[in-house]
Amino acid sequence: GQNIDQPTEMTATEGAIVQINCTYQTSGFNGLFWYQQHAGEAPTFLSYNVLDGLEEKGRFSSFLSRSKGYSYLLLKELQMKDSASYLCAVRDSNYQLIWGAGTKLIIKP
Amino acid sequence: GAVVSQHPSRVICKSGTSVKIECRSLDFQATTMFWYRQFPKQSLMLMATSNEGSKATYEQGVEKDKFLINHASLTLSTLTVTSAHPEDSSFYICSASGGEISGANVLTFGAGSRLTVL
Repeated sequence: GQNIDQPTEMTATEGAIVQINCTYQTSGFNGLFWYQQHAGEAPTFLSYNVLDGLEEKGRFSSFLSRSKGYSYLLLKELQMKDSASYLCAVRDSNYQLIWGAGTKLIIKP
Repeated sequence: GAVVSQHPSRVICKSGTSVKIECRSLDFQATTMFWYRQFPKQSLMLMATSNEGSKATYEQGVEKDKFLINHASLTLSTLTVTSAHPEDSSFYICSASGGEISGANVLTFGAGSRLTVL
């Protein structure tokens, strides 16, 4: 079966750095997405990786290793507004999006 | 960028009634739209794929007669929850492929509709 694993919850301090991991087992791979979802709101697109390596976009970076079935989202200079759930999703060989359960990130002052 | 409008954002209804949720692509044409359901503290569950001018494709376990989907135009898809019951209370989100960002065909989501069935 297809599976996406990510931690349920993480806590970090304002101003610090946090890394949210995602491992996947899917039938084929056509890209990995990270979305941010604030409570009661719809997800918003953060990043996309299809090749191995690091994609940097401001305070957020996303890394992919296809051979390991692994990705991480790195958030720097954490702000209180970064408190949200972070969803990892993989597009499989049929171009279907397989979603992880999301990681709830709690930022403390 | 691509914008998807979803309405209503919140709806409360009595058990046994039907509720319609609209999803519109505002500045692009969406041949395909997706309807998701999300329970508290859980991830997105794809309910169905809505195709303009044809029948929707439902995921396994989703009752097509209960969750009616109509995609009559390239900018509008509707989800009707028929004879709603308390267990249908959930957060319903629509999405569409709004074009490419960073080389990816990225889904743009509507703001979601919180359905509470009393």
